[in-house]
Amino acid sequence: DTAVSQTPKYLVTQMGNDKSIKCEQNLGHDTMYWYKQDSKKFLKIMFSYNNKELIINETVPNRFSPKSPDKAHLNLHINSLELGDSAVYFCASSQDLDSTDTQYFGPGTRLTVL
Amino acid sequence: LAKTTQPISMDSYEGQEVNITCSHNNIATNDYITWYQQFPSQGPRFIIQGYKTKVTNEVASLFIPADRKSSTLSLPRVSLSDTAVYYCLVGDRGAYGQNFVFGPGTRLSVLP
Repeated sequence: DTAVSQTPKYLVTQMGNDKSIKCEQNLGHDTMYWYKQDSKKFLKIMFSYNNKELIINETVPNRFSPKSPDKAHLNLHINSLELGDSAVYFCASSQDLDSTDTQYFGPGTRLTVL
Repeated sequence: LAKTTQPISMDSYEGQEVNITCSHNNIATNDYITWYQQFPSQGPRFIIQGYKTKVTNEVASLFIPADRKSSTLSLPRVSLSDTAVYYCLVGDRGAYGQNFVFGPGTRLSVLP
């Protein structure tokens, strides 16, 4: 069974479009995250979400918005896509909002904006 | 926020022991050190975590000197399948998510 899953795996779209990436975890964790990995392979946290508390990395544009219908899901919605949004986006989860908790990552979604 | 510095890349041969050192000069008293492994086209995977001295599990060992300003991930007898990027992560218990700062990682290439 996949612990953290993401859909789609690949996403190709035009500039200006709005798109969503879905994430689900079946580990019973309380915290979920979204990361962005750019072409230089830097892994940067975008959001963390714990018990309905959203913590946003201040460098993330407000075109990005996480949506959590329940504890097992944290979807990422992106408005007005730009070329610079092209990257691999990883969803992750951990038991709690504690840096010592192991984070379990999904397989990633490769977003290409044309 | 403790910032980490690692070598960009390393090469090794099968069967050798590999040591990857991470510098974190500004590590805080409550910070833990965690290492993740990332294979191509996959998400990072937890390897090991420690606070001080030495930690060992079935995959690796983590050596942390007394001043904690650096740590060394040791992979015994690497195989081709250990080719991956290894990330050193420093953060404190109870910290919020934005304190999870992944460094650029070390790209390990294991050669036959």
